[in-house]
Amino acid sequence: EVQLAESGGGLVKPGGSLRLSCAASGFTFSSYSMNWVRQAPGKGLEWVSSISSDSSYIWYADSVKGRFTISRDNAKNSLYLQMYSLRAEDTAVYYCARDNLWASDYWGQGTLVTVSS
Amino acid sequence: QSALTQPASVSGSPGQSITISCTGTSSDVGGYNYVSWYQQHPGKAPKLMIYEVNNRPSGVSNRFSGSKSGNTASLTISGLQAEDEADYYCNSHTTSSTLRWVFGGGTKLTVL
Repeated sequence: EVQLAESGGGLVKPGGSLRLSCAASGFTFSSYSMNWVRQAPGKGLEWVSSISSDSSYIWYADSVKGRFTISRDNAKNSLYLQMYSLRAEDTAVYYCARDNLWASDYWGQGTLVTVSS
Repeated sequence: QSALTQPASVSGSPGQSITISCTGTSSDVGGYNYVSWYQQHPGKAPKLMIYEVNNRPSGVSNRFSGSKSGNTASLTISGLQAEDEADYYCNSHTTSSTLRWVFGGGTKLTVL
């Protein structure tokens, strides 16, 4: 069974940093690209970043480019999102999702990031 | 980047059919057959319902179907059921700037 479990969310002050993790199981992690998608409270889904299976290709939304860094460790079946210079508008539930069939076919339950003083 | 355009809300009675539209540009919806649709119930993670415009993942009811014409994709739900009440999001691959994916703003489906 495919499982994705995010962790690392919490309360952080504006300008602060946070590192999210996503533990994957139930599939060959190293064979799939992965995505981070976020959802601000009461708002819609927003794609944040993607990384190819071997980390050779990385994409970012304009809203996070230069502040967020996506990475993965295929040996540990883990995906990461390092977030710097956090702003109030980064407050959201962050989901990791498997990229397959030109879609996100499996999603974690999400981790809440709150940026507030 | 601009999100894909969806109606904010649609509604229908049990047993009826509804269609949700998703309008983009030639850089996303119109340029690729990589449109997907997601269902999200309150407090839950999104669930993939349609991929590559009109394909259903295993386990998704055949009451859900997708199509595309030009820069507009559509999700049709036939034989509406109470459990279909949820938010629906379209998504497309994009080659706009250095991006990869773009979502629609979401549509709230109410089953009357």
